[in-house]
Parts: sequence; C-alpha cells; structure tokens
Amino acid sequence: DGGITQSPKYLFRKEGQNVTLSCEQNLNHDAMYWYRQDPGQGLRLIYYSQIVNDFQKGDIAEGYSVSREKKESFPLTVTSAQKNPTAFYLCATRDSNSPLHFGNGTRLTVT
Amino acid sequence: EDKVVQSPLSLVVHEGDTVTLNCSYEVTNFRSLLWYKQEKKAPTFLFMLTSSGIEKKSGRLSSILDKKELSSILNITATQTGDSAIYLCAVEGAASGTYKYIFGTGTRLKVLA
Repeated sequence: DGGITQSPKYLFRKEGQNVTLSCEQNLNHDAMYWYRQDPGQGLRLIYYSQIVNDFQKGDIAEGYSVSREKKESFPLTVTSAQKNPTAFYLCATRDSNSPLHFGNGTRLTVT
Repeated sequence: EDKVVQSPLSLVVHEGDTVTLNCSYEVTNFRSLLWYKQEKKAPTFLFMLTSSGIEKKSGRLSSILDKKELSSILNITATQTGDSAIYLCAVEGAASGTYKYIFGTGTRLKVLA
C-alpha cells in the first residue's frame, strides 16, 4: 500500500539485541496496528493505537514496546525479552468504518 | 474465547476450476467480516461484509455472510494462476469492550496452469 511505509524490508539481528521496526503513514488515519504473522498461525495483534499519545496491548504484547508521538508514525521495538522474535511483522491503519490497510511488512530474523 | 477458523488450510486446483473458501467464527459483538488476498507481502482488501451488506461481488470473486450459521464463503470462479495466494478472513468483534480484528490462519490456494 503506497500510503503505509514499513522499513526495513528485511532485518537481521543477533539474539539479545533490541531492534526497532518503522511504520509511517500518509493516509491521515487515526488508528494504527502492529501484527505478527507466523506460518500456520495467521495474524496476531501485538499493539494498537487509536489516537496520538495513546496505545493498548494486543494479544501478544509481551517482549514488545511501541510509541505514538505523531499521528503518522507508530514504531515497534522488539526487545530481548521476546522469546521467539523471528517473524513477519505487518503494520496496518484504518479510519472510522474502513477496512484495515496494510504496509508491505518487515521480515525479522534473529539468530 | 473468540476465534476464527478457515478451511481448507490449503487447496490445489487447475485453471478454470471454481473454488469455495470457508470462514467460520465465534466472536463477541460481531461488527464485520473481511476477506483479504495475500501474495508476497501486504494483504490486499477484497470484501467487507456486515449485517447490512451480506453479499458482495467483484468480477470472478464473490462472498456471502451467513449470520445465522456464523460463517462466510469466498467463491472464485474460472480460477487463474494469478489467483494463487493466501486468503485471509478477519472478523471484527468486541470481546473486552474494544473492537478488534481476529484473523483466521488463512487458506493457501495454488492454481496450476
């Protein structure tokens, strides 16, 4: 989706290091979401934010942190406390009654 | 616990075949059901179904919501190799007072030439 930019596309890290995934949007959407996708498990919600300076834990928030200082940006930090961080991470936004719009994702590999 | 179940998990067909993908759900305070197509990266939106819009069609794709059976189907007629993808179903509900989407595991469709 041209309105949502996730970077980097691929990320490699050593175990024990924190890493931050970027998500920027120019759709002027209030709500932003982070999902994790693993083979055979569908998308699982990590964190979401419905307005600036406010965010809530999703279903699998342990080992992750976020911030929402600007409407356009919702970065996700994967900390060393996350036991199985290797996954495909998707950022999404939505507005009112619209469906979720997704970015192209970041594939994180931790060794 | 809220859940969304998709079937089959995977499917292999030949070009020209018709396929039906299934999505069943148990979600508190149902609001909407969405279908997405995911090829390599970002899931792309196909349909949104609600109580006021239970049937949608776009070209060779169509979808129906059955609120009585708590399920939805996605039909693809005259399949093409470009239809090969993972098809995701997501249901919006409010189990704990806040509306969120719950995703199924997806159906992986492969269309052979």
